[in-house]
Amino acid sequence: DTGVSQNPRHKITKRGQNVTFRCDPISEHNRLYWYRQTLGQGPEFLTYFQNEAQLEKSRLLSDRFSAERPKGSFSTLEIQRTEQGDSAMYLCASPPPGGVNTEAFFGQGTRLTVV
Amino acid sequence: AQSVTQLGSHVSVSEGALVLLRCNYSSSVPPYLFWYVQYPNQGLQLLLKYTSAATLVKGINGFEAEFKKSETSFHLTKPSAHMSDAAEYFCAVSDRGSSNTGKLIFGQGTTLQVKP
Repeated sequence: DTGVSQNPRHKITKRGQNVTFRCDPISEHNRLYWYRQTLGQGPEFLTYFQNEAQLEKSRLLSDRFSAERPKGSFSTLEIQRTEQGDSAMYLCASPPPGGVNTEAFFGQGTRLTVV
Repeated sequence: AQSVTQLGSHVSVSEGALVLLRCNYSSSVPPYLFWYVQYPNQGLQLLLKYTSAATLVKGINGFEAEFKKSETSFHLTKPSAHMSDAAEYFCAVSDRGSSNTGKLIFGQGTTLQVKP
């Protein structure tokens, strides 16, 4: 257990529905990342928060995706009008305070299946 | 731009044999490199990291990796494979480019199979 919690662990939804995932990072970690991992691939960066500020978004994050981190604590990732191509594992990670050489602690992920 | 290439999507070894998983990186600045392991339907667990200190890095579960700047490599090794080592392994580089956000750029992964 890394201390990073993600909910739900699994989500099955019908195409066109909206879904929301939650990540609770380790409390003193002010940086938070979201990644997406499709089958047989490495994780790909989606977005990055420093406290409550969203500082970077990948081009993978289409207009249907939105992420928030109110008060710099937990974060949510919402996908609107889901498509089958959104089926993936969504991973949250938080490194301890420090520079970019600190390792990220990953949650167990939320596996999304769009049917 | 930084990138990571893992050579070999699948590696199969016998229990007790040497494990060698290959990773090559591309970076215009001194890289910070990581190896993570992922078990089925789980998140990623850090095995070890290189952050410009000793070039031979020891990690958990008997794994180690050597940073070779001349070869732009960071291969992962373990002298003797255990059945419990069967998993997906990812090499990653920390973004130190213009954004310098510390996001990780991952390779495609290598599936390690351990045969009894």
